[in-house]
Amino acid sequence: DAGVIQSPRHEVTEMGQEVTLRCKPISGHNSLFWYRQTMMRGLELLIYFNNNVPIDDSGMPEDRFSAKMPNASFSTLKIQPSEPRDSAVYFCASRRFLLSGNTIYFGEGSWLTVV
Amino acid sequence: AQKITQTQPGMFVQEKEAVTLDCTYDTSDQSYGLFWYKQPSSGEMIFLIYQGSYDEQNATEGRYSLNFQKARKSANLVISASQLGDSAMYFCAMREGAGTASKLTFGTGTRLQVTL
Repeated sequence: DAGVIQSPRHEVTEMGQEVTLRCKPISGHNSLFWYRQTMMRGLELLIYFNNNVPIDDSGMPEDRFSAKMPNASFSTLKIQPSEPRDSAVYFCASRRFLLSGNTIYFGEGSWLTVV
Repeated sequence: AQKITQTQPGMFVQEKEAVTLDCTYDTSDQSYGLFWYKQPSSGEMIFLIYQGSYDEQNATEGRYSLNFQKARKSANLVISASQLGDSAMYFCAMREGAGTASKLTFGTGTRLQVTL
């Protein structure tokens, strides 16, 4: 089975530009997570969805960040406008609830640099 | 308060030796899960092993085992017969609760370096 697929793998953008990160979860998984990893703050949960419905977005840093999950096989994380402090690795992860202890499987990450 | 504590920012181990990476956790839930992930320099997060709070035996997956001491709230990862490819960051994580609202909280990680 294919794992969690994220795109783009790397993005460099100018401050003020809109950034859209995409994620395709593992087929059959019903929960999807967006994490951000930085040296300063480690791994932070931004938002997660169960059955395409946002459950907890308390980790979204501010209104510039938004996430959607229009269907079970696709999610986006959007930053508008982007700022240099948004530079980080953004991970998408998914799980199938009640399977294997609710183990979460990660994508390879999207490395974002805002200059 | 930190829910997951990894007190070793960095560890060294010689090839073929065993190494223990420490993890302590804090929760008042009765049902929870503990996970270890590996992050090599390439950046991906790789799931290694899982231990449920009600599991009576320590989890094992190949060269990985989880030393689960519930009373002490510790979930240390033991890697036996270290290999050069084990050099990576290792993250301990905890899932609290068992419902659909459960989510993972991560520790700050331990960087393991395997030497010849």
